[in-house]
Amino acid sequence: QKEVEQNSGPLSVPEGAIASLNCTYSDRGSQSFFWYRQYSGKSPELIMSIYSNGDKEDGRFTAQLNKASQYVSLLIRDSQPSDSATYLCAVFIGSNYKLTFGKGTLLTVNP
Amino acid sequence: DTAVSQTPKYLVTQMGNDKSIKCEQNLGHDTMYWYKQDSKKFLKIMFSYNNKELIINETVPNRFSPKSPDKAHLNLHINSLELGDSAVYFCASSLRVSGANVLTFGAGSRLTVL
Repeated sequence: QKEVEQNSGPLSVPEGAIASLNCTYSDRGSQSFFWYRQYSGKSPELIMSIYSNGDKEDGRFTAQLNKASQYVSLLIRDSQPSDSATYLCAVFIGSNYKLTFGKGTLLTVNP
Repeated sequence: DTAVSQTPKYLVTQMGNDKSIKCEQNLGHDTMYWYKQDSKKFLKIMFSYNNKELIINETVPNRFSPKSPDKAHLNLHINSLELGDSAVYFCASSLRVSGANVLTFGAGSRLTVL
């Protein structure tokens, strides 16, 4: 099993819709979870971090964590064309704080 | 500007050459990383240093040698470059003692081996 898995997509949603991105991870001991956004040709930038079970909201973004199911998701409400990017799920694996990334989901928001 | 800065941004070279990429951060972070992003956009960790000590050394050919002269700098030297080394190399830094350990990435160095 891969350490961090994401649906590679691409995911296409119309402007104004909710985009839902999913991620599963293999290490039950993981405590820190992140979503990064990467525009084409740019570096990854942090958009959300989550450490406890449940939901965490920041503007149009909501991260959801379920440690029992080893599942983390990102919801983007009122999607905008500027949200079109690759979204990377990242999880700290093991004791050496190795931040491991999934392969990313390419999101396209159509005007 | 506070940031993670990498040089050079672009590097085009021939197979067999040796090249270096430099990284500097002025964020006061104690941990620095090198990641490789291949043509399929998969971001894979290569090395990590915490306070100049190597703490992560993934399965990377020994042609790759990182060096951290101090907490603010992390360099990557690559010997005998191969076609498969073509990728974007990202430097990142974080403050591990903070617990949250959020990584900040540099702009990347695109290496093309011909």
